[in-house]
Amino acid sequence: NAGVTQTPKFQVLKTGQSMTLQCAQDMNHEYMSWYRQDPGMGLRLIHYSVGAGITDQGEVPNGYNVSRSTTEDFPLRLLSAAPSQTSVYFCASSSRVGYGYTFGSGTRLTVV
Amino acid sequence: QKEVEQDPGPLSVPEGAIVSLNCTYSNSAFQYFMWYRQYSRKGPELLMYTYSSGNKEDGRFTAQVDKSSKYISLFIRDSQPSDSATYLCAMGDNRKLIWGLGTSLGVNP
Repeated sequence: NAGVTQTPKFQVLKTGQSMTLQCAQDMNHEYMSWYRQDPGMGLRLIHYSVGAGITDQGEVPNGYNVSRSTTEDFPLRLLSAAPSQTSVYFCASSSRVGYGYTFGSGTRLTVV
Repeated sequence: QKEVEQDPGPLSVPEGAIVSLNCTYSNSAFQYFMWYRQYSRKGPELLMYTYSSGNKEDGRFTAQVDKSSKYISLFIRDSQPSDSATYLCAMGDNRKLIWGLGTSLGVNP
């Protein structure tokens, strides 16, 4: 049972480039979310989904897009990378929003 | 005022000590209370989950929720060097989950 799998683990982008962070879970969880974690700021919610075909914005959605075509996958797209998007990104899933989350191992993104 | 307050530490204790970690919150509607442990360069992992108020024990870990005081605690007994990590509290309702900033704990052999 793999849990939540995130790829890539590390990425360096140039300003203006786009990329997709992948997230997949094999626990049949309906709720999936993307967070970024920055020193002194804690975990901040970017986007979330309560099921296939349903997504919504979190606390810091600007510059990011998501889609949820299947229960298993929840990719995060950076449209035009900026240095302010340098961060560690975590994908998390749960059977519902109030239950415990399972986190992926994270993607360390640097935008230069 | 933030919805959840957590002292970032760092907290340093000798091996074998009892550790107390705390969070306060302002929203009386919160029903779900959790503690996560995060090792350096890893994702958070769920340690304890409590619905509503009361205590929950799991091995060396005890979670307490005091809804009247809007205060939650995590106690670690017989702390080990392997407990050195950042501990995050999280709480919420059916619509949202709010995170504390985390407390950095170091257990010295």
